Amino acid sequence: SYELTQSLSVSVALGQTARITCGGRNIGTKNVHWYQQKPGQAPLLVIYRDYVRPSGIPERFSGSNSGNTATLTITGAQAGDEADYFCQIWDSNTAFVFGTGTKVTVL
Amino acid sequence: QVKLQQWGAGLLKPSETLSLTCAVYGGSFSGLYWSWIRQPPGKGLEWIGEVDDGGRTNYNPSLKSRVTMSVDTSKNQLSLRLTSVTAADTAVYYCARVITIYGIIIRYFDVWGQGALVTVSS
Repeated sequence: SYELTQSLSVSVALGQTARITCGGRNIGTKNVHWYQQKPGQAPLLVIYRDYVRPSGIPERFSGSNSGNTATLTITGAQAGDEADYFCQIWDSNTAFVFGTGTKVTVL
Repeated sequence: QVKLQQWGAGLLKPSETLSLTCAVYGGSFSGLYWSWIRQPPGKGLEWIGEVDDGGRTNYNPSLKSRVTMSVDTSKNQLSLRLTSVTAADTAVYYCARVITIYGIIIRYFDVWGQGALVTVSS
């Protein structure tokens, strides 16, 4: 089976840059998608295809993917960005796989 | 704008059958896959399976023996049944639309239902 590993938590000062990583074997060969989930809410797609932002997602959210690590970057973090973030991939062997999730705290 | 609305029984006893329905409003139902995903309290997301408008299904192997997904295209609805539930099945259950880009095989979830908490307790 394929596993996606994320740091349990990331803290970032208001206005600074947060980097959330998603580790997986040769993840750079896969397409990675990212979801934001605030307490009591359903997940929200914030990045798909490694780096593409859906309509309505602020430009401060960006993504990259190479080697064994995909990264979601929040540049100029806002208080409203405090949430859990999950990465996700799909492949023909394992179907849909989610990362373990990272809790982002904005200080 | 597509919206997904879910409903179903929220409290079950062990060995009972979980049953949830998800209605799709404001968008196309056909030509797409629709998934069920669950999240135990305080934990991560687990994909349960998917169904398309023709009733074709793919299930998570870990749940396959207990899961049935179906669609009612006349109502733009999809349903989930999970038999023989235990406390381990306690979770928030979500339905979600699957976006598939063929050729380069990209698949992700772009619209989610509001979630339904199902608690299994004796």
